[in-house]
Amino acid sequence: NAGVMQNPRHLVRRRGQEARLRCSPMKGHSHVYWYRQLPEEGLKFMVYLQKENIIDESGMPKERFSAEFPKEGPSILRIQQVVRGDSAAYFCASSPGSFRNTEAFFGQGTRLTVV
Amino acid sequence: KNEVEQSPQNLTAQEGEFITINCSYSVGISALHWLQQHPGGGIVSLFMLSSGKKKHGRLIATINIQEKHSSLHITASHPRDSAVYICAVSSYNTDKLIFGTGTRLQVFP
Repeated sequence: NAGVMQNPRHLVRRRGQEARLRCSPMKGHSHVYWYRQLPEEGLKFMVYLQKENIIDESGMPKERFSAEFPKEGPSILRIQQVVRGDSAAYFCASSPGSFRNTEAFFGQGTRLTVV
Repeated sequence: KNEVEQSPQNLTAQEGEFITINCSYSVGISALHWLQQHPGGGIVSLFMLSSGKKKHGRLIATINIQEKHSSLHITASHPRDSAVYICAVSSYNTDKLIFGTGTRLQVFP
């Protein structure tokens, strides 16, 4: 049973380009969470999705950021018109249920560098 | 004030020492998670607990719900234990994890 798979591991984008980060949850997991870790800072919640539904996007910046978790395929975090401040590590976590009562399984992260 | 506070922020130890990392939180929780992150690496779940104590190898995690406090202990520390250890809580009324800022541990041979 493969773990949570994120790709790419490293992504370099020029300012103004789009960044697409992919997350394939563990088999059987229908809950996906995205977190951002800025340099020298702790992890911050961005968005919580279940298949085809956004459950909580209270941590997402209002503009340029979007997330989806389609019925088939990985979850995608999309950042349009990237700026230097978007440079961070983006982690995806999956679980079979809510984190209130299940363990968190994290991917290796995607390290985004905006130049 | 952060909802989840960890101490110390940085910790150095000699190989073989007993290590304790503390976590205090201010919200009502359904579970507390201890996570490990190696430099440039992913995040690994070490423990999830809602009461009492859990042990896995040289790692022990305890939680005191009344005092809203948890500790992670490492016995007979080793250089490969060098990592950032993160405490996170899942509160009663939200599905998202709330993270502490982490404790950076370095164990020297």
